[in-house]
Formats: sequence, structure tokens, C-alpha cells
Amino acid sequence: GDSVTQMEGPVTLSEEAFLTINCTYTATGYPSLFWYVQYPGEGLQLLLKATKADDKGSNKGFEATYRKETTSFHLEKGSVQVSDSAVYFCALVSGGSNYKLTFGKGTLLTVNP
Amino acid sequence: GAVVSQHPSWVICKSGTSVKIECRSLDFQATTMFWYRQFPKQSLMLMATSNEGSKATYEQGVEKDKFLINHASLTLSTLTVTSAHPEDSSFYICSARLQGLGLGEQYFGPGTRLTVT
Repeated sequence: GDSVTQMEGPVTLSEEAFLTINCTYTATGYPSLFWYVQYPGEGLQLLLKATKADDKGSNKGFEATYRKETTSFHLEKGSVQVSDSAVYFCALVSGGSNYKLTFGKGTLLTVNP
Repeated sequence: GAVVSQHPSWVICKSGTSVKIECRSLDFQATTMFWYRQFPKQSLMLMATSNEGSKATYEQGVEKDKFLINHASLTLSTLTVTSAHPEDSSFYICSARLQGLGLGEQYFGPGTRLTVT
């Protein structure tokens, strides 16, 4: 079955530091890939997505590139802010999962001023 | 943007009682709603998918008689945990899908923390 593996947290960074959260996946066929973010006390929100190989999703300074050869979709941001503190979930949808979302375990990011 | 609410945000109940959790799409009509369960430091696990006016489709291993899902309108779905036991304590999250969105794009509620004593 489909699965998503993302780096264990928590991750603690200082403001303006570079962020990478690793995500790799196993899926049937050609999945669509997502990063969802959950701010404290709120529901998950779609941060960015990529639907085919070599696509780059981007939003709010975050980027992730769909790498089919390494089955990865790592999340990056060049300069994090305190307001980026949240839990980040990597996820996929594929025909093998009957088009249901499969999530990673989530990575807690804390950014200190 | 589209907002999904859940009520209550947390609930404590005694073993053997039933608890109802509501999920509402506040400013849109949801063609499909989903219920997830999340254990500490674990990923979200899909429990069931429901479409308005039809029976929910449960994932393998989820007891449909224990977790009753009703999707009576395009803006409301409810999850009732019947005869709750301590092992049902968890974080329950609902989401809704708006027709026309891409696959995998869902709007999530903030979750409900259930503690069974």
C-alpha cells in the first residue's frame, strides 16, 4: 500500500534559518504530492502541491519539488519566521489508495526569535 | 477561504456512554466529508468517507457500529462514538471536499479531543 515517511521532529530553528523537512513516499502509479500545515489550534491547511514529476509547488516562501527518481518531496524555506511554527504533514493521493489522502506522521517546527 | 468547524473541540465522557461530534462546512457545500483519527505522534488515519444522503464508506478495520457517521446535509456530518471505551480516546478530525477541487485537496476542521474515562 501507499505510505509516506517524513523526518521525525521536533525541529527547532532560529528566525531566518534555512528549513528542510524530508519526505519520501511509496505509492502505486503516479501520485499527487502535498504538504499540509497545521497552525496551533487550527485545522490542516493545504500549503502546496505537485501533481507530476519535476513539478515544483510553492507558497508563502515554501517550496517542494516532486522527485520521481528518489520518490521524494522535501519541503524547503530559505528564511523561516516565528509565524511558521506549526506541524507540517507530507501527504499523497494515488489511484492505488483509491484517491484517498495518505499522510506522514507530521513534523513539529518551532522557530525562535 | 473555506472554513470547516468541529464541535465540541474537546470532550470527556465516561466509559459506556456515547459521544457525538459535529463537523460543519461554514461557507460552502461539501460534496464529500471525511473522518480521521490521530494518535499522538502518529499520522492521520482515515476512518470513513461520507457523501451527503448516502451511507458512509468505512476503511478496513473501522467498526461501523461503533463509529456511526451521518451526513444529513451538504454542510453537516456527525460522528457518534457509541459505547465509548478508554481505547477510543483520540483526536478526531473531519475534512470536507468541495466539488471542483483537485484530488487530495480538502478543508480540515480543527479537531476534537475525546477522552474516555
